[in-house]
Amino acid sequence: DSGVTQTPKHLITATGQRVTLRCSPRSGDLSVYWYQQSLDQGLQFLIQYYNGEERAKGNILERFSAQQFPDLHSELNLSSLELGDSALYFCASSAPPSGGYEQYFGPGTRLTVT
Amino acid sequence: GEDVEQSLFLSVREGDSSVINCTYTDSSSTYLYWYKQEPGAGLQLLTYIFSNMDMKQDQRLTVLLNKKDKHLSLRIADTQTGDSAIYFCAVSPGGYQKVTFGTGTKLQVIP
Repeated sequence: DSGVTQTPKHLITATGQRVTLRCSPRSGDLSVYWYQQSLDQGLQFLIQYYNGEERAKGNILERFSAQQFPDLHSELNLSSLELGDSALYFCASSAPPSGGYEQYFGPGTRLTVT
Repeated sequence: GEDVEQSLFLSVREGDSSVINCTYTDSSSTYLYWYKQEPGAGLQLLTYIFSNMDMKQDQRLTVLLNKKDKHLSLRIADTQTGDSAIYFCAVSPGGYQKVTFGTGTKLQVIP
C-alpha cells in the first residue's frame, strides 16, 4: 500500500458526460501528479500540483482540468468525454524535493466511456 | 522533449537473471527510476539511481547506468514468477520538472 488513495476505483459513463476523479496523497506529500495510462498511448503525464499551485503540465487536453485543495487532495475533472478517454487514471504523490524525487502511485481509477 | 525507450517484452525462465534495458535522450536527466506494475495495480517504485552513480545494488536488483550512452538497465537475479509484471524506466532532471516514463517492458517468467 503506497498510502495514496484514489476514488472511485471504476467509473462507467457515456460520451459527452463529465466526471471527477479524486486523489488523496500520502501524509506529508505536497506534490500531486496525474497520469493517463491507455493501451495505445502508454503512461502519459497530465499535470502536477505542488501545495495548491500548478507546477508542470504535460499532455493534458483542454477538456480536462485539475486542482489541488488546501487539504492537499486533488481532483481531475474530465468533460465532454469521448470514447478515446477510456483509460486508467493514476494519481501519484511525492515529498518536497530534497534529493530523490520518487513518486508513490495510487491504485488508479479505471474510466470506461461508452 | 525527453524520450525514453524500452523493449516491449522479455521472457525468462524461473531462476535465471533478467535484464531490462532503457535508453533516454536528455543528458540532463539527474534522477533515474525503475517502477513495477503488477496486473490491475498502480506503479510501485522499485529503486532509483542518481546520475553521479554507475551502479546501485538492492538485494536481487542491480541498476547499471551508462551516462555516455544514456543507457539504464535493471538486472533481477534469481527471477521468480512473482516478478512477472511490467517494468517502467523513468527519468527526471530533478527539482520541479516532470518525470518522463518509458513505454514499459512486460516481463514474463516461465516456471
